[in-house]
Amino acid sequence: QVTLRESGPALVKPTQTLTLTCTFSGFSLSTSEMCMSWIRQPPGKALEWLALINWDDDKYYSTSLRTRLTISKDISKNQVVLTMTNMDPIDTATYYCARLRTCDGIDIWGQGTMVTVSS
Amino acid sequence: DIQMTQSPSSLSASVGDRVTITCRASQGISNSLAWYQQKPGKVPKLLLYAASRLESGVPSRFSGSGSGTDYTLTISGLQPEDFATYYCQQYYTGPRTFGPGTKVDIK
Repeated sequence: QVTLRESGPALVKPTQTLTLTCTFSGFSLSTSEMCMSWIRQPPGKALEWLALINWDDDKYYSTSLRTRLTISKDISKNQVVLTMTNMDPIDTATYYCARLRTCDGIDIWGQGTMVTVSS
Repeated sequence: DIQMTQSPSSLSASVGDRVTITCRASQGISNSLAWYQQKPGKVPKLLLYAASRLESGVPSRFSGSGSGTDYTLTISGLQPEDFATYYCQQYYTGPRTFGPGTKVDIK
């Protein structure tokens, strides 16, 4: 059974750095053509794609956020980590970790973790 | 970046209706398109990938078509559980952009 679980702070202050961890099971990110992404969704708004990392450690970022984002993986821990610097209240959203089985559609989503940015 | 648009942004329909949602990419994406369904308070669910390939377990009333820049999601015979927001997403190149969503509600 494939599971994804996001973890991280529920509340961060403006200008702080957010670090989110996705811990997964049931597959390996070292498997060829496996990818994982982070997506966010502000309350009542649309999905916004943030970043992707693949089995070969290639990384891709949202153009508008690329200067603030870093995605990384730890194969031994079955984790993918997203850091976002200089957080702002507009970054308040539910952040989802997701798996892309063959680096195409997202077939498995985590339950999401709500992050509020407020002083 | 490839920009994705969807139309309409919302629609009202009745159970049993045939519903069509359109997704347009700012450049050709060679069928590298996925459709998702999201219900309020729930995680998105993959419906189709490669524009027209039905994800396992998804009812056959959902279908997808299109090519180049223009794609459609069709629900043939809307069911009560289909009232939701639908998103398209391209994975052809670069940032994997989502469309803004189409909300389908009850007429």
